[in-house]
Amino acid sequence: AQRVTQPEKLLSVFKGAPVELKCNYSYSGSPELFWYVQYSRQRLQLLLRHISRESIKGFTADLNKGETSFHLKKPFAQEEDSAMYYCALSGRSNTGKLIFGQGTTLQVKP
Amino acid sequence: DTGVSQDPRHKITKRGQNVTFRCDPISEHNRLYWYRQTLGQGPEFLTYFQNEAQLEKSRLLSDRFSAERPKGSFSTLEIQRTEQGDSAMYLCASSKIGTGQETQYFGPGTRLLVL
Repeated sequence: AQRVTQPEKLLSVFKGAPVELKCNYSYSGSPELFWYVQYSRQRLQLLLRHISRESIKGFTADLNKGETSFHLKKPFAQEEDSAMYYCALSGRSNTGKLIFGQGTTLQVKP
Repeated sequence: DTGVSQDPRHKITKRGQNVTFRCDPISEHNRLYWYRQTLGQGPEFLTYFQNEAQLEKSRLLSDRFSAERPKGSFSTLEIQRTEQGDSAMYLCASSKIGTGQETQYFGPGTRLLVL
């Protein structure tokens, strides 16, 4: 079964602390993994995808096929990082549909 | 272009009534997706179109749900005989394939409340 699991509903850290948002997936094949973010009163938007292997707003995520994980990390959290974060996967069958996790609220305290 | 737009933004209806939502994608985007999001959950895929063809429907999409994209531009999602369990946020996303990696751009959503 195709599934994305984000075990934490809420992650609260202080400004400047490291952040790790966990994501595990289940998929029989080679999926494409994404992180989407939704800031307060804004629409859902793509943060990064594993294929690009890039850092966006200081965030990085590495696909670990052995552990079937795609954790999102940032070494020093900023208050403006406070948002809802969703991990998602897409199969390589070219349908493009996304399977989302339940989401994790990141709260960065001053 | 202001991005994906959805109308209405909010809809309150009584159980048993029909409702229709509209999504206008970013111009020249050939794919259009519908998702549903309930409280505390991530979006769940409902269906998608490539141009005017509906290529996949989720098992979540019961017979009461129908979606169209008649000219390959805007799309409508109709729910007939609404039930309280249909209360959710309905999200639309569009993308353009064939020019590199596909990125879905989401609309603001239509929040449905069935009384």
